[in-house]
Amino acid sequence: SQQGEEDPQALSIQEGENATMNCSYKTSINNLQWYRQNSGRGLVHLILIRSNEREKHSGRLRVTLDTSKKSSSLLITASRAADTASYFCATDDRGSTLGRLYFGRGTQLTVWP
Amino acid sequence: DTEVTQTPKHLVMGMTNKKSLKCEQHMGHRAMYWYKQKAKKPPELMFVYSYEKLSINESVPSRFSPECPNSSLLNLHLHALQPEDSALYLCASSQEPGGLSSGNTIYFGEGSWLTVV
Repeated sequence: SQQGEEDPQALSIQEGENATMNCSYKTSINNLQWYRQNSGRGLVHLILIRSNEREKHSGRLRVTLDTSKKSSSLLITASRAADTASYFCATDDRGSTLGRLYFGRGTQLTVWP
Repeated sequence: DTEVTQTPKHLVMGMTNKKSLKCEQHMGHRAMYWYKQKAKKPPELMFVYSYEKLSINESVPSRFSPECPNSSLLNLHLHALQPEDSALYLCASSQEPGGLSSGNTIYFGEGSWLTVV
């Protein structure tokens, strides 16, 4: 199975602190995407990183990708209470063009005011 | 506009009912997806439509019947569901089939909460 795994499963921090979430996957990929999901809502795409990229930034978000270790990390700097959500990484499968997304189990981030 | 719209937001149905979930996107995307998500779990793929044709059915029970009337619309027809089918049903779309493999972002809707009683 390609299903990724996020680490940690739950993270609780204070506002202003940085939050780092990790994702590991099993097979070769073309791209990896991070999503945020607020409780009971849909998934919001955050950053897509390609297999030939090592790092990508968007505002307070930084995503890294290490294809040799089959892992990615999402860093949220200067966290806010509004960042409280579940965060998922999702990968494709380099061997397939059918469009399957393989999700990790997710990290539940809680940011306390 | 990067919006996938799903209706209804909430649906309660009996096990003998027939209902439908609807999904719409006007981004000109040629691939659309249905996912099912149970509480505290990641989404699970159900169906993929590429250029309005079903390309993936992840062995979903026949009580779930997808339909793609045109390139902007995706329906999920529900019949004789079981209480364990209660979940959040997410629709998604991407510019091209192949989704993330083609370097395309996959955009999700807000989901339809389904409760089967």
